[in-house]
Amino acid sequence: ELKVEQNPLFLSMQEGKNYTIYCNYSTTSDRLYWYRQDPGKSLESLFVLLSNGAVKQEGRLMASLDTKARLSTLHITAAVHDLSATYFCAVDNWAGNQFYFGTGTSLTVIP
Amino acid sequence: GAGVSQTPSNKVTEKGKYVELRCDPISGHTALYWYRQSLGQGPEFLIYFQGTGAADDSGLPNDRFFAVRPEGSVSTLKIQRTERGDSAVYLCASSPSRDSTNEQFFGPGTRLTVL
Repeated sequence: ELKVEQNPLFLSMQEGKNYTIYCNYSTTSDRLYWYRQDPGKSLESLFVLLSNGAVKQEGRLMASLDTKARLSTLHITAAVHDLSATYFCAVDNWAGNQFYFGTGTSLTVIP
Repeated sequence: GAGVSQTPSNKVTEKGKYVELRCDPISGHTALYWYRQSLGQGPEFLIYFQGTGAADDSGLPNDRFFAVRPEGSVSTLKIQRTERGDSAVYLCASSPSRDSTNEQFFGPGTRLTVL
């Protein structure tokens, strides 16, 4: 069974600091997705990483993918309060018809 | 344009009752997915449609759960003889095609509470 693990599960950080969220997965997959979820809301797509070495940046967030290590990172630069949310990574299965989600990282940015 | 919509947003029912949850995908998206998200967890795959057919229903937990997509657009997730353990947020997602990036766009979800 495909497993996706994220760490940390909970992250409290001060505004202006940098931090990285890690996503490990248990099967060979060339595609990885990052989503953001605000409390009581649905999932918002942040990044789609489609190949080994892919790096994407949007504002204070940067995501990367290492398919050989089966690892993706979501790096937060100079955090601001608006980034407080739960972040999920997901990989799709070999047939591309199921997403397997991690347990999520709940991020709280403290002023 | 309009995103994925789901109705109702909240559904409270009693144990043993039948419920239907509706999903209206993004226009033109051929792929449609249902997920279930329990509190504090990531979404879990239930079923995938490509067009009108259920291409993969391996995530449905048991035969009380069934989903249809008769015209290849709107989908309905049906739960018979509901149990308290069915309480969760049911999310629907759609995607333009399995051959593209496979990026899935999620609806707001239906929060189901079984008393």
